[in-house]
Amino acid sequence: ELKVEQNPLFLSMQEGKNYTIYCNYSTTSDRLYWYRQDPGKSLESLFVLLSNGAVKQEGRLMASLDTKARLSTLHITAAVHDLSATYFCAVVRDGGSQGNLIFGKGTKLSVKP
Amino acid sequence: DAGVTQSPTHLIKTRGQHVTLRCSPISGHKSVSWYQQVLGQGPQFIFQYYEKEERGRGNFPDRFSARQFPNYSSELNVNALLLGDSALYLCASSFGVRVYEQYFGPGTRLTVT
Repeated sequence: ELKVEQNPLFLSMQEGKNYTIYCNYSTTSDRLYWYRQDPGKSLESLFVLLSNGAVKQEGRLMASLDTKARLSTLHITAAVHDLSATYFCAVVRDGGSQGNLIFGKGTKLSVKP
Repeated sequence: DAGVTQSPTHLIKTRGQHVTLRCSPISGHKSVSWYQQVLGQGPQFIFQYYEKEERGRGNFPDRFSARQFPNYSSELNVNALLLGDSALYLCASSFGVRVYEQYFGPGTRLTVT
């Protein structure tokens, strides 16, 4: 069974600090997604990582993928309050229905002034 | 260009009742997936439909069913509602069954009392 684990589940940061969220998955997958969710809202796509060593950056967020280690990281640089949200990683099972995303439990990020 | 739309936005039902949730995908998208997100958890895959055929099913009881119409819109039906069915139900659309990007709708918040 494909499992996705994120850590930490809760993260309280000060503005201006850096931190990394980790996403481990248990079996092979050919793509990994990062989503952001604000309270009471839907999911906003942040990154799609398709290959080993893939790195994508958008503003203060940078995501990377190591398929051999089955690990993705979401690095936050110089956090600002607007980044406060819950962040989910999700993977697609190799060979499975490509609409079938398996999500982690999410990391709730709170950025304090 | 309109994104994924879902109706209704909020819904309150009583245990044992039946509910129908609706989703319209982005124009041109032929695949619709349904997810259930219980408070504090990541979304869980329920169904994927592509070209009106079921292409994937998650680990949900037979009380859950869905269908897709010729215009690619979709309905999710839940019978004999339980308190545990209270959740945010998310619909996601993509162009094909092998998705690169999935776009999520705003969700329907279902409360079962």
